Amino acid sequence: DGGITQSPKYLFRKEGQNVTLSCEQNLNHDAMYWYRQDPGQGLRLIYYSQIVNDFQKGDIAEGYSVSREKKESFPLTVTSAQKNPTAFYLCASRLNPGLAGDNEQFFGPGTRLTVL
Amino acid sequence: QKEVEQDPGPLSVPEGAIVSLNCTYSNSAFQYFMWYRQYSRKGPELLMYTYSSGNKEDGRFTAQVDKSSKYISLFIRDSQPSDSATYLCAMSAGREYNFNKFYFGSGTKLNVKP
Repeated sequence: DGGITQSPKYLFRKEGQNVTLSCEQNLNHDAMYWYRQDPGQGLRLIYYSQIVNDFQKGDIAEGYSVSREKKESFPLTVTSAQKNPTAFYLCASRLNPGLAGDNEQFFGPGTRLTVL
Repeated sequence: QKEVEQDPGPLSVPEGAIVSLNCTYSNSAFQYFMWYRQYSRKGPELLMYTYSSGNKEDGRFTAQVDKSSKYISLFIRDSQPSDSATYLCAMSAGREYNFNKFYFGSGTKLNVKP
């Protein structure tokens, strides 16, 4: 089955710890994205990557880091510098942002991170 | 002012009703418009995707875009309890802008009562 997988589904972190959220896609999509969702707010873009070995900061990148060593993988690390990391984290992918008319973004099931 | 405004609801309707969900936006550069359905504690699922103005129909769902009014709508006919979810609108500008940036509404929570 083609799709986007995120793991773990639930993650608990102690103050001062770094944690890494996994995102894998087998859709052969070029672009991948990380969003954060908080209650009553729209999705906010953390980082995105259009191609392997390249990524760009989104609106709320502070306290987060990413890597894109493989086309199918885009892990997100939530560092201890992130002041309020408790949230629902969503990974998304898109076929090829350079293609005219391609603007459909598909989401994974999400990871709920709670800081204890 | 937010780029995209969406009434958070909740919106409660009886089964079989016609549901109208709406978003307004401020950026006239937006050309691509999407509706996502999100069940509790799940990732958003793409429902409808339209380019520029006009209507698009898919089964019980109709998406409508009015660029002159900067207003988009999603209509659900013959609503079912399984339609109970949060509906997110999203939009982005064309390739001449940063079309990696998607702007999301905060979501409208819909409850369809049996």
